[in-house]
Amino acid sequence: GAVVSQHPSWVICKSGTSVKIECRSLDFQATTMFWYRQFPKQSLMLMATSNEGSKATYEQGVEKDKFLINHASLTLSTLTVTSAHPEDSSFYICSAKPTWGYGNQPQHFGDGTRLSIL
Amino acid sequence: DQQVKQNSPSLSVQEGRISILNCDYTNSMFDYFLWYKKYPAEGPTFLISISSIKDKNEDGRFTVFLNKSAKHLSLHIVPSQPGDSAVYFCAASASGNQFYFGTGTSLTVIP
Repeated sequence: GAVVSQHPSWVICKSGTSVKIECRSLDFQATTMFWYRQFPKQSLMLMATSNEGSKATYEQGVEKDKFLINHASLTLSTLTVTSAHPEDSSFYICSAKPTWGYGNQPQHFGDGTRLSIL
Repeated sequence: DQQVKQNSPSLSVQEGRISILNCDYTNSMFDYFLWYKKYPAEGPTFLISISSIKDKNEDGRFTVFLNKSAKHLSLHIVPSQPGDSAVYFCAASASGNQFYFGTGTSLTVIP
């Protein structure tokens, strides 16, 4: 159980293109999903917290207009990198926190999206 | 400011021996701690967790120890197996909201 699917797994595109990444919780509902970015040999950096039916909360230094997040249902959140440039190339990972259960719950991660901007 | 730190970027252990991965944190409000395992080009996989009301949690070959006074937790893997070779991240949160991750420790289990 607790499977998170992230799609696509790898994207290569030209500079200026907008790229949409989907994050789906397959067997559970997630009121809250998270978007992370990982640079080589570094930790996961939280970009934003996505809440179903409301606006995402962005971390300091993350451009809202650059990284558009939509969490339209309890099983789907999307991250759109608008007008992507080479410096946006990175590994993006989403996670979902189950709505069910009491107390603390682990986040469950997708397999990530490797974004390469030429 | 890194609130969760893993000071050892890598660790090598012989198969069958114990692997001990360490993690330190600075925020005394953290009350929930987790370990994740990550293979290259994959997302982290949840391994084991512990809440601040406990000092030990065990699941098969994996045991997590929490020392609140020292703000330190560790993951013990006994016995270590080659398939355990991966990057291990510790994470912490206050009241289960935002998770803060360490920088990871790359474990290599030598056959």
